[in-house]
This record gives sequence, structure tokens and C-alpha cells, in this order.
Amino acid sequence: NAGVTQTPKFRVLKTGQSMTLLCAQDMNHEYMYWYRQDPGMGLRLIHYSVGEGTTAKGEVPDGYNVSRLKKQNFLLGLESAAPSQTSVYFCASTKKVGSGNQPQHFGDGTRLSIL
Amino acid sequence: SQQGEEDPQALSIQEGENATMNCSYKTSINNLQWYRQNSGRGLVHLILIRSNEREKHSGRLRVTLDTSKKSSSLLITASRAADTASYFCATSSGGGATNKLIFGTGTLLAVQP
Repeated sequence: NAGVTQTPKFRVLKTGQSMTLLCAQDMNHEYMYWYRQDPGMGLRLIHYSVGEGTTAKGEVPDGYNVSRLKKQNFLLGLESAAPSQTSVYFCASTKKVGSGNQPQHFGDGTRLSIL
Repeated sequence: SQQGEEDPQALSIQEGENATMNCSYKTSINNLQWYRQNSGRGLVHLILIRSNEREKHSGRLRVTLDTSKKSSSLLITASRAADTASYFCATSSGGGATNKLIFGTGTLLAVQP
């Protein structure tokens, strides 16, 4: 049981390049999330998904796209990378419960640098 | 925008001492959660306290919640060097439709051996 797995762990891009970050979870969770973490700012939600085939914008969605074609996978895409997108990206998942009182399970992050 | 503000931003204590971190938030919540993040790793869930609860314990952790003041505190008793990490509070609002969390800016705890 691996939990939440993010690939790659590190990546360096040049401005304007594109890439996709992959998140996979093996806990059969319905909900998945992408966050970015910048120094002194905590985690901010980029996009999230409440089920296969559905996605929604979070707090800081500009410059990113996502897809959830399979329940276990949530992809985060950068179409044209910018230096402002240099950050550590975390994926999380959680079980769907009506009360909402469930913890989120996190991957170990992808460290992305845009030059 | 950040929902939670944490205080202090950094805390340094000796092994065996207690560590207290505080979190304030802005809107009504369903629950408040605390997470730990070791350097270079992802966040690990520590404890969840529901809006109708006032205090919760888990091992050496004690969490309190005061919804009238929109604040929470995390107490770690008898700290160990292995407790060195960043600690984040996160709030959940709006029911279980999305389970979205809004995170605070974190407290960096250093426990000196």
C-alpha cells in the first residue's frame, strides 16, 4: 500500500516549456487535490477533483490545467512554464464522507524549478 | 487567501519541554486539522477536531478548539528531537461536498537534544 505517489520528484524546466506532474493513489479515494507550497505561504490549492472525469478550480488555478481520467490518477499540467511557478507541488487525496470530517493523505511532493 | 494564521512562526525548545502552537481562522468551520511536515517530505495528518468538540488528545498531542474566538492550539508534551518539523493547521468548511482544506502558514518547531 503505497498511499499517494508523485512523479517526478524533481524537475528543472526552462521558461515556456511544458510538463505534466503525475499523482497516483491506491486508497480508492474519491477526492484528489493539487497544492503548491511556497516559502512563508503554507499550502495553496490549485485544482481539485471530486471524482473521475470532474475537476474544479482552487485558489490559484491560473497557468495550470488538470485531468482525472482514472479514479486513481490526477494529472497537473503546466502548458507554458513561468519562473513564478517555481515551487513545491503536493498532491493529496481523501475519502468521500458526507460530514467532510476526513484527513487528507499527501505525497512527498515534486520540486519544480523554472529557469 | 490563507484562512489560518499560526503563532509563533518559529519555536525553539529543549528536549523534554512542552511546545504550544496557536492557530486563528476567519470563517465558520466543520473541522480543524493539524498536520506535521518533516523537511523535504509531505504533510502527515496528526489530529482532527470537529467544530462541536472543544478538546482532543492523541498520545502526546492535545488540541483545543474555541469556535467563539476562532482559534485552536496544539500542545506537544515532553517533546523529542524527532518532533522537529513544521506544523500546519488547516480548516474545512462547507460540509463534505469537496473536503477542501485551507492551510495556515505554519510553525517551525526545533527541538534541541
